[in-house]
Amino acid sequence: EVQLLESGGGLVKPGGSLRLSCAASGLSFRSFAMTWVRQAPGKGLEWVSVISGSADSTYYADSVKGRFTASRDNSKNTLYLQMNGLSVEDTAVYYCAKGLSVAAWAPGDYLANWGQGTLVTVSS
Amino acid sequence: DIQLTQSPSSLSASVGDRVTITCRARQSISSHLNWYQQKPGKVPKVLIYKSSNLESGVPSRFSGSGSGTDFTLTINSLQPEDFATYYCQQSYTTPRTFGGGTKVEVK
Repeated sequence: EVQLLESGGGLVKPGGSLRLSCAASGLSFRSFAMTWVRQAPGKGLEWVSVISGSADSTYYADSVKGRFTASRDNSKNTLYLQMNGLSVEDTAVYYCAKGLSVAAWAPGDYLANWGQGTLVTVSS
Repeated sequence: DIQLTQSPSSLSASVGDRVTITCRARQSISSHLNWYQQKPGKVPKVLIYKSSNLESGVPSRFSGSGSGTDFTLTINSLQPEDFATYYCQQSYTTPRTFGGGTKVEVK
C-alpha cells in the first residue's frame, strides 16, 4: 500500500523559510514523479510543483516560482519542498501526491495517491 | 497557464438526484481532464481520469465526458456520501491547474 507522510509544517514569520518533507513507502519511489498541491483555509486546491522521478525536471506554479524549490532523495524515498520568502498568501495545507508516470510533464497523468497534508501558517 | 472554470460553484441536491458539474478550459486540453472529490477535512480522491475513465473502486454512478474545452462530471442517483466538493484538473500541460471547485450540498 502506498503511503505518503508529510512533515515540516508550522508557524513562520513573513519573509521566512521552511522545508517540507514527504516520506514515501510502499512504492518504487524513483519510478514516479511527485507533486505538491496546497489548499488555503476554506479555499480550493492549488497545484504547486512537480518533480520527475529522476529529479531531472521540475515545474512550478507562477505563484511560487523563484521562491520554492522541489527536490527529492530517492535513496531515502523522500520528497522535499524548500519554501523561501514566505508570505501570508502561502498559508495552506500542503499535500504531496503521486502520479502514475516517471516524467513530470506526462500528459494524461493524474494524482492517484495523496498524503494527509501538513499545515503551513505564515503570520507575524 | 490553462485556466479551468467550473460551474456551478455550488449546488443543492437531494439523495437520488442526478447531478451534473461542468468544467471549461480556456484552450483545448484534448481529453486530459481529471476529476477529484474532497470531503470536509479529508484528502482529495481521484474519481475520473482522462475525461471518462473511472478510477478503480469508484462507484459506477460517477461518470465523466468531454474533450477539447468542455467537460462534464455526472453523478447518477446521488448518495449521502457524495455530498462533497468536486474539482477538475487538467493534465495536458504544466502547470497542472485545478478548477475552482463545486460544492454539492444537501437540499
